[in-house]
Amino acid sequence: NAGVTQTPKFRILKIGQSMTLQCTQDMNHNYMYWYRQDPGMGLKLIYYSVGAGITDKGEVPNGYNVSRSTTEDFPLRLELAAPSQTSVYFCASSPGFEQFFGPGTRLTVL
Amino acid sequence: DQQVKQNSPSLSVQEGRISILNCDYTNSMFDYFLWYKKYPAEGPTFLISISSIKDKNEDGRFTVFLNKSAKHLSLHIVPSQPGDSAVYFCAAGQGGSNYKLTFGKGTLLTVNP
Repeated sequence: NAGVTQTPKFRILKIGQSMTLQCTQDMNHNYMYWYRQDPGMGLKLIYYSVGAGITDKGEVPNGYNVSRSTTEDFPLRLELAAPSQTSVYFCASSPGFEQFFGPGTRLTVL
Repeated sequence: DQQVKQNSPSLSVQEGRISILNCDYTNSMFDYFLWYKKYPAEGPTFLISISSIKDKNEDGRFTVFLNKSAKHLSLHIVPSQPGDSAVYFCAAGQGGSNYKLTFGKGTLLTVNP
């Protein structure tokens, strides 16, 4: 049972480039979430999904897109990367309130 | 508008003593509260939770207390161990909200040997 896995672990992007952060869970959880964590701050919710085919915006969705074609996968897409998107990104899944987190992706936009 | 506040950015305690981490919330609709622990370069891991119908929940060395009238919760760690050194996040959720959580900014706990 791998839990929640995220790839890549690290990435440096140039301004204007795009990329997809991958997230996979093997716990058959319906709920999945993407957060970003900036230095000295808590986790801010970007997007979430309540099941395959259903996604909705969180607190800070601008500049991001998501899709959920399967229960297992919940990729986060960054289009036209900006320096303000430099952050650590965490994916989580849950059967309820207790969320299980992946190890994170550290993204730098230069 | 910070709905979940952890006003102490850091806390330092001696090994074997009690660690008390505090959290305040402003949204009276929150009815489920959790504490997460985070080591550097890792994702947060769930520690303990409490529902608003309780005022205390205990799991080994960890106890969470909830004071609904004061909109305050605290995490007690007894006895503290050096391996407890980490950032602790308080999180709150509201029933019927698709289990979305609102997180505080975290408190860095350092347990000195």
